[in-house]
Amino acid sequence: GAVVSQHPSRVICKSGTSVKIECRSLDFQATTMFWYRQFPKQSLMLMATSNEGSKATYEQGVEKDKFLINHASLTLSTLTVTSAHPEDSSFYICSAGTGMSTEAFFGQGTRLTVV
Amino acid sequence: GQNIDQPTEMTATEGAIVQINCTYQTSGFNGLFWYQQHAGEAPTFLSYNVLDGLEEKGRFSSFLSRSKGYSYLLLKELQMKDSASYLCAVMDSNYQLIWGAGTKLIIKP
Repeated sequence: GAVVSQHPSRVICKSGTSVKIECRSLDFQATTMFWYRQFPKQSLMLMATSNEGSKATYEQGVEKDKFLINHASLTLSTLTVTSAHPEDSSFYICSAGTGMSTEAFFGQGTRLTVV
Repeated sequence: GQNIDQPTEMTATEGAIVQINCTYQTSGFNGLFWYQQHAGEAPTFLSYNVLDGLEEKGRFSSFLSRSKGYSYLLLKELQMKDSASYLCAVMDSNYQLIWGAGTKLIIKP
């Protein structure tokens, strides 16, 4: 099946710093990337949808200046958490699709802890 | 609004059968997915239903009734490793996935 690689799997950073999370589709061209956040014991919450070469569409309540998404190529999307704070500590997951795909291929997820 | 409902938690015994229900109300329908998620890990795909009826895949089966806005995931011959959260998700008319909150399944020996 399709493989989506997400790095890093875990990151601990100091409050006020920025963290970049990468999501790569290894064996297919991902025209659409989805970024999710998941707090403990809660479901996935869609943060934003990005299409290759265009600006990401953010869900209501998600700060676009804080969560910078770049989808510059068909195989790579990045999420940068800027000026991270402890409340940003969460599990971040990307998934990739081919536009009209019926299946979402997930990355392994990134556990972010801001101290 | 769009809504996916599934039980918060269920408990079952090793070797038994369990059925996890999911009801949905969405803007359009382009299929229903079931995912398994172990704690601290990303979800893994289990099944996809777009037509009414039962899809069987080994120990797992998934059923869909579009007219009732209803699906269930059936797990047979439960194993301890099946302890996980099971997420129901519906793809709406915009091909966006709408997620349920997940059902935590606890398997007891």
